[in-house]
Amino acid sequence: KNEVEQSPQNLTAQEGEFITINCSYSVGISALHWLQQHPGGGIVSLFMLSSGKKKHGRLIATINIQEKHSSLHITASHPRDSAVYICAVESGANSKLTFGKGITLSVRP
Amino acid sequence: GAGVSQSPSNKVTEKGKDVELRCDPISGHTALYWYRQSLGQGLEFLIYFQGNSAPDKSGLPSDRFSAERTGGSVSTLTIQRTQQEDSAVYLCASSSGLYNSPLHFGNGTRLTVT
Repeated sequence: KNEVEQSPQNLTAQEGEFITINCSYSVGISALHWLQQHPGGGIVSLFMLSSGKKKHGRLIATINIQEKHSSLHITASHPRDSAVYICAVESGANSKLTFGKGITLSVRP
Repeated sequence: GAGVSQSPSNKVTEKGKDVELRCDPISGHTALYWYRQSLGQGLEFLIYFQGNSAPDKSGLPSDRFSAERTGGSVSTLTIQRTQQEDSAVYLCASSSGLYNSPLHFGNGTRLTVT
């Protein structure tokens, strides 16, 4: 079993919809990162969180440490949100990162 | 520059040749990761450097792969006797290494082994 599981693997939405992407992990962590990769593009960091909730524009990230679960929400989705969203957890004494496989989101106009 | 810089951006090599990929992390960042991303696949961890600690090499797929980080800054990933299955985008990321510090990724090196 992978240490970091993301669901769903692929997601298609209509412009304007509210989108939720999930990440579950099986190890104790010190932080969780949400990353975004546009087709053919580089990877950018969206959020890093270790508790609670963070908001940036239309994006909201939440984490429940007890349940070992995090969600990334996109409100009023737009085609430019189409990308791969990757969850990564930081754990261990050396803060090593373990990545999920990512979720491919397509937002249709 | 302000970001993580990787070179070359593209590399085409013949099977059996050795290649070197370079990563310049953000100045002062003590943590440096190498990952690779094969077509349609997720990120595969290769190696992690953190300050002066021994690197975590647990992700290197074979002994043809090696990496070093000189002076705690620039890192070089070397692949010897390249194989076609080595074709991938090789990504470097760095962070300050402090608790809850964000990651910064380079744009990657696209390696094609013919």
